[in-house]
Amino acid sequence: EVQLVESGGDLVQPGGSLRLSCVVSGFTFSRYWMSWVRQAPGKGLEWVANIKQDGGEKYYVDSVKGRFTISRDNAKNSLYLQMNSLRAEDTAVYYCAKLIVGSNYADYWGQGTLVTVSS
Amino acid sequence: DIQMTQSPSSLSASVGDRVTITCRASQGISSWLAWYQQKPEKAPKSLIYAASTLQSGVPSRFSGSGSGTDFTLTISSLQPEDFATYYCQQYNSYPITFGQGTRLEIK
Repeated sequence: EVQLVESGGDLVQPGGSLRLSCVVSGFTFSRYWMSWVRQAPGKGLEWVANIKQDGGEKYYVDSVKGRFTISRDNAKNSLYLQMNSLRAEDTAVYYCAKLIVGSNYADYWGQGTLVTVSS
Repeated sequence: DIQMTQSPSSLSASVGDRVTITCRASQGISSWLAWYQQKPEKAPKSLIYAASTLQSGVPSRFSGSGSGTDFTLTISSLQPEDFATYYCQQYNSYPITFGQGTRLEIK
């Protein structure tokens, strides 16, 4: 059974940092691109970042470029999102997702972790 | 960036109804379109990819069609568990973008 479990969400002050983690099981993590998608309270889904199997390619939505870094540790079956210089508008539930081979379609999602940026 | 526009934004329907949701891309995306279902306080669930391919385990009452800029999600006979919010997503090019969502409510 494919499982993705996010953690690391918390209340943080504007300008602060946070690192999210996503531990996966039930598939060979190193074979798949992975993604972070977020959802602000009461709003729609917003793609945040993608990372290639070996970490050699990364893509970001403009609003997080230079502040967020996606990374992975294939030995630990783990995906990460380092978030720096956090803003109120980064408040959201953050989901990690597994992408299918050959496209950016997400077939499995985690349950999400809530990040709240507020003073 | 490619803008995705869904219509309607909300929809009321009854169990057994046939329902169609439309998604329009601001430029051609071939068939690089997906549909997701989301229930309150839950993670999105993947329904359809490549515009018309059903994700494994998804009931056959769900279907997708279209290519280029215009796409549809059809539920042939609504079931109680189908009342949720539906999102389309283009994954033709970065940045990946979603539609604003269509909330499907019980009439």
